[in-house]
Amino acid sequence: QLQMQESGPGLVKPSEALSLTCSVSGGSFSSTSHYWAWIRQPPGKGLEWIGSIYYSGSTYYSPVLKSRISILIDTSKTQFSLQLSSLTVADTAIYYCVRAGRTYYGDFWGHNGFDVWGRGTVVTVSS
Amino acid sequence: IVLTQSPGTLSLSPGERATLSCRANQPINNNCLAWYQQKPGQPPRLLISDASNRATGIPDRFSGSGTGTDFTLTISSLEPEDFAVYYCQRHGRSPHYVFGQGTKLEI
Repeated sequence: QLQMQESGPGLVKPSEALSLTCSVSGGSFSSTSHYWAWIRQPPGKGLEWIGSIYYSGSTYYSPVLKSRISILIDTSKTQFSLQLSSLTVADTAIYYCVRAGRTYYGDFWGHNGFDVWGRGTVVTVSS
Repeated sequence: IVLTQSPGTLSLSPGERATLSCRANQPINNNCLAWYQQKPGQPPRLLISDASNRATGIPDRFSGSGTGTDFTLTISSLEPEDFAVYYCQRHGRSPHYVFGQGTKLEI
């Protein structure tokens, strides 16, 4: 059964950069049927998609966060990572790494639902 | 695309039927709409994708319907473990994978 595990610092200072890694085990990582994604959830609030990556390295970023994020993939280590720069207190959240299905919708390939989730890692931005 | 869920909170009893709404401010092509359940301290769980397709292992008391801008998640007969927060989400063409603000289903 596929398992996903986030790792990274729990506390980061404002204006600094955040680097998180997701380790994937128990399934096919270099799959043409999935994307790998990051989603976050501020305390007591809703969910926000950050971005996704395909095993080939193609990336898809939230327009809101695009200027501050970078997602990379290492298929040899079955890991993908998130880098988020210029942090503010508004970036305080639980960060989840997630798998999304990849589906052909007639004239494009796109994400299907986010079907496997890591347990999440809490990131606090504070001085 | 903005997804608006209603009601914000829904108070029901076990055995009752729950109807949750998700409305988009513009049509969602290909009915690319998913539903998730989240319990306290846990990550969300995918229930439904493509508006009406149940995910693996999801009980058949959960069903999704709708097209265009109006979508519904129905729980036919509530079990105690169904009380949670539910989110809808647009999937399909990138990059606008937005979520609704959530509906809290409480006893």
